[in-house]
Amino acid sequence: IVLTQSPATLSLSPGERATLSCRASQNVNNYLTWYQQKPGQTPRLLIYDASNRATGIPGRFSGSGSGTDFTLTISSLESEDFAVYYCQQRNNWPLTFGGGTKVEIK
Amino acid sequence: VPLLQSGGGLVQPGGSLRLSCVASGFTFGSYAMSWVRQAPGEGLEWVSAISARGDSIYYADSVQGRFTISRDNSKNALFLQMNRLRVEDTAVYYCAKAPDISYFDSWGQGTLVTVSS
Repeated sequence: IVLTQSPATLSLSPGERATLSCRASQNVNNYLTWYQQKPGQTPRLLIYDASNRATGIPGRFSGSGSGTDFTLTISSLESEDFAVYYCQQRNNWPLTFGGGTKVEIK
Repeated sequence: VPLLQSGGGLVQPGGSLRLSCVASGFTFGSYAMSWVRQAPGEGLEWVSAISARGDSIYYADSVQGRFTISRDNSKNALFLQMNRLRVEDTAVYYCAKAPDISYFDSWGQGTLVTVSS
């Protein structure tokens, strides 16, 4: 299953809303996960099963979608949110990741 | 949740390496584990997964037949034996803890594997 993330880069200012898209080449039901990775750091689990926030993840992060179209929304960007975000499907083996969306400071 | 990795390095094409990941702070034998890699400047690529008891194993097509995942629950350790390495296997390799076998809530610090002549 191919996951296509868009846009590749999102340039926004702190306080703005970020909307990231992940589209699957076939139905993955709700088995879609989101991770955040900052430069030089390991990935961090944000959202699992499309809409469930992982432990310790702030409420400004939310996930939605099912089937083939998914969205990660950051309601109001904080300085620490500027990073690369990856989606990953777990509906079928092999597990696959999207190519990532970089959220950068405008 | 510490996952301490070791075993990376420089190897020639066709060579072998064994990566290790030692866990602490959780009941290792109750969780599936995976290896995920990231080529320099690139995105994430899942490599292999193993169930909590080691009775279910999965591989990416790109490593099937060359890499072997294993675990020793008595030593809280996960391994990746990498044989017939290729230049395109060059990446930082992460071990990752999986609350369900197929997504990851904790990651090791990563270890760089460089395949080059």
